Amino acid sequence: DIVMTQTPLSLSVTPGQPASISCRSSLSLLYSDGTYYLSWYLQKSGQSPQLLIYEVSNRFSGVPDRFSGSGSGTDFTLKISRVEAEDVGVYYCMQSSHVPWTFGQGTKVEI
Amino acid sequence: QVQLVESGGGVVQPGGSLRLSCVASGFSFNDYGLHWVRQAPGKGLEWVTFIHYHGNNPDYIDSVRGRFTISRDNSKNTVYLQMNSLRAEDTAVYYCAKDKVPRTMDYLGQGTLVTVSS
Repeated sequence: DIVMTQTPLSLSVTPGQPASISCRSSLSLLYSDGTYYLSWYLQKSGQSPQLLIYEVSNRFSGVPDRFSGSGSGTDFTLKISRVEAEDVGVYYCMQSSHVPWTFGQGTKVEI
Repeated sequence: QVQLVESGGGVVQPGGSLRLSCVASGFSFNDYGLHWVRQAPGKGLEWVTFIHYHGNNPDYIDSVRGRFTISRDNSKNTVYLQMNSLRAEDTAVYYCAKDKVPRTMDYLGQGTLVTVSS
């Protein structure tokens, strides 16, 4: 199985400041169609996970443009340009290029 | 809007069985695959299984293959997870998720808690 490793596991941020989370896979996530299937989810306290980013850099419907994703191969990054109070929660990366799909351990973001 | 409502969770003894259901609305159910994802208490997310829109060739993680079965009833907009031979390590909140073509999940339900304990 592909192992997804997130760093850091915990992040304390100041509103208005940027934040960045790294996600590294144990194998390249390049799929046979030439796409990297790497997604980012945010799970707020007491809620189910919500999709933020898919295919490395595509923002899902309704996701603010302060969220951006980048990367290729085995290294991927989620960036928040200016953190807001509503961005607190646990962020997970997930690869879906290889079965079984696997998640990172999660990064807890707090203000 | 897309809604996924899970039910069927509860407390079951090791070795027991449980069937989870997920009723979907707000999208063309027949056209999409569905997933089950679980989260053990205080832990991270784990993808469990996937069924295609046509219902054939489901995928499973190794730890549940042969014990869990995913199925769907397109006439009821419902996906099921039959869980047999349950173990303590199956204790988790189970989320139903809609597939986003080509390869991710875009909406998850609120989850149903399964507790395996004697």
